[in-house]
Amino acid sequence: DTAVSQTPKYLVTQMGNDKSIKCEQNLGHDTMYWYKQDSKKFLKIMFSYNNKELIINETVPNRFSPKSPDKAHLNLHINSLELGDSAVYFCASSQEGSFQETQYFGPGTRLLVL
Amino acid sequence: GIQVEQSPPDLILQEGANSTLRCNFSDSVNNLQWFHQNPWGQLINLFYIPSGTKQNGRLSATTVATERYSLLYISSSQTTDSGVYFCAVERSQGAQKLVFGQGTRLTINP
Repeated sequence: DTAVSQTPKYLVTQMGNDKSIKCEQNLGHDTMYWYKQDSKKFLKIMFSYNNKELIINETVPNRFSPKSPDKAHLNLHINSLELGDSAVYFCASSQEGSFQETQYFGPGTRLLVL
Repeated sequence: GIQVEQSPPDLILQEGANSTLRCNFSDSVNNLQWFHQNPWGQLINLFYIPSGTKQNGRLSATTVATERYSLLYISSSQTTDSGVYFCAVERSQGAQKLVFGQGTRLTINP
């Protein structure tokens, strides 16, 4: 049983398209996160949702919008994709709403924008 | 913003060797975590260690917050320890934000 799952694992798309990445956790955690890892392996937090409420919105373009239908899911919608959006996107979850505890990561979604 | 610097950037060792990875940060922190990303890309949270020392099997970590550094020790390295090790910190003051270092790539050869 996968604790944090993401779909799809790979996503290849054209510039200008709109796409979504889905994330689900079955750990009963209250907080979920989205991270971006660029081609140089640099990791950056994008969003954090605590019990369906946004608590962090880092300086990401507003083309990126997280949507949380319930506390087990945090989907990432990306509009008007650009070449620079190519990266690996990781979803994670933790029990509570701070970074001061263990986060559990999904396997990542590799996005390639052509 | 806070700067996080990890050293060395790359480390190649033989199986069985011990290693020490370092993380320096430029400001007071109330949170420091170590992560491992294996060669297949999977990220694992190793330690939450804003201060003091923790051990988990062959891995241990020490953070000296007053001197703004943390060390990750790996003893009796195994090939499965290969991957990239990231340090991430959260400033004591300011917005809740986890800032990552650039990572140390560890390669353990059989």
